[in-house]
Amino acid sequence: ETGVTQSPTHLIKTRGQQVTLRCSSQSGHNTVSWYQQALGQGPQFIFQYYREEENGRGNFPPRFSGLQFPNYSSELNVNALELDDSALYLCASSPGGPRPQNEQFFGPGTRLTVL
Amino acid sequence: AQSVTQLDSQVPVFEEAPVELRCNYSSSVSVYLFWYVQYPNQGLQLLLKYLSGSTLVKGINGFEAEFNKSQTSFHLRKPSVHISDTAEYFCAVTPGRDNYGQNFVFGPGTRLSVLP
Repeated sequence: ETGVTQSPTHLIKTRGQQVTLRCSSQSGHNTVSWYQQALGQGPQFIFQYYREEENGRGNFPPRFSGLQFPNYSSELNVNALELDDSALYLCASSPGGPRPQNEQFFGPGTRLTVL
Repeated sequence: AQSVTQLDSQVPVFEEAPVELRCNYSSSVSVYLFWYVQYPNQGLQLLLKYLSGSTLVKGINGFEAEFNKSQTSFHLRKPSVHISDTAEYFCAVTPGRDNYGQNFVFGPGTRLSVLP
């Protein structure tokens, strides 16, 4: 069984640019969440997708947006990149819907550096 | 809103010694509690979780944690650590009700370093 995969592994962008990060959820997992993990900190919840709709959002501005596709894969888009957006972006999938007791399975992350 | 405090940013311990990683939380509603481990250059892996029932929870790799509602704590313990336990450990909380979704709040993490 293939776990959660993310692409690309690393990415370097400059301020003001736009970026798209991709996540393939584990087989059969219909819920996808995205987290931002700044260096030396814990992950911060960005948003979650279920049935191709946003199902919850953390304290992130609208320039952070996402999509979920019918095969449950997902994209995170960030517009107008800022230096503070430099972080590890983690995707997590879970089976059985966005119930809090369902385990989240994390991918290895995409390391974004904004110069 | 929920918050998580992990008072120890770094914990060095010798191999085969016991270890306790501390986690305290605050919340106005009942919560579910989790411990995750992150090895270098990897994503997070679930160690254990408390949903309800027995306050002592056993997880993978010999870890256990005890939920203490009165002290709002969920400390992680292992009686004898191994070099391979060197990693970053995160405590997380989420509201214990379905209509809140999976809005996890993570602590800042504790770096466990196991010394030979």
